[in-house]
Amino acid sequence: GQNIDQPTEMTATEGAIVQINCTYQTSGFNGLFWYQQHAGEAPTFLSYNVLDGLEEKGRFSSFLSRSKGYSYLLLKELQMKDSASYLCAVRDTGGFKTIFGAGTRLFVKA
Amino acid sequence: GAVVSQHPSRVICKSGTSVKIECRSLDFQATTMFWYRQFPKQSLMLMATSNEGSKATYEQGVEKDKFLINHASLTLSTLTVTSAHPEDSSFYICSGIQGGDQPQHFGDGTRLSIL
Repeated sequence: GQNIDQPTEMTATEGAIVQINCTYQTSGFNGLFWYQQHAGEAPTFLSYNVLDGLEEKGRFSSFLSRSKGYSYLLLKELQMKDSASYLCAVRDTGGFKTIFGAGTRLFVKA
Repeated sequence: GAVVSQHPSRVICKSGTSVKIECRSLDFQATTMFWYRQFPKQSLMLMATSNEGSKATYEQGVEKDKFLINHASLTLSTLTVTSAHPEDSSFYICSGIQGGDQPQHFGDGTRLSIL
């Protein structure tokens, strides 16, 4: 079956670093995406991993291990505006169909 | 970056009304478009996948006669919720993809409230 697991909620302090984990079990794999979604808004693209390793983009980094079915999103120098839901999504092979996890709600406190 | 425009952003209407939601890719050609619905504090649930010029592929449990999808061009897809009822109230989001290893680009969503 298709399954994507990520923690429901996390809390971190402004200026700190937080790591949001994601494990997946899917029938096919053609890339893993992380999206940010603020309440009442549509998701916005953060990162894409298709090969093992770390992708860094400013304050955000994403890691992938395909053999372990595991990814994480690392947020550095947290800001209050980073309070949002972070969605882990896996693209299936063929047809671009993407399966989304339930999202991790991150609360950044002062 | 790629932009997807979705209209209307909010709809409030009476039960039994049909509602049409438009999704346009403004600066890229979306070979595939996806329609999702999202209930509060829940994940995005894929409703259907549409490719330009062909019939949409609906996910299990989604009524194709109730949620009509048209993808007539590479830049426009529409979702029509026919004879909407209060249980259809939700946040509907479209997304388009150009292909290959490109991410999905989401519209701003439509909040549908059926009274």
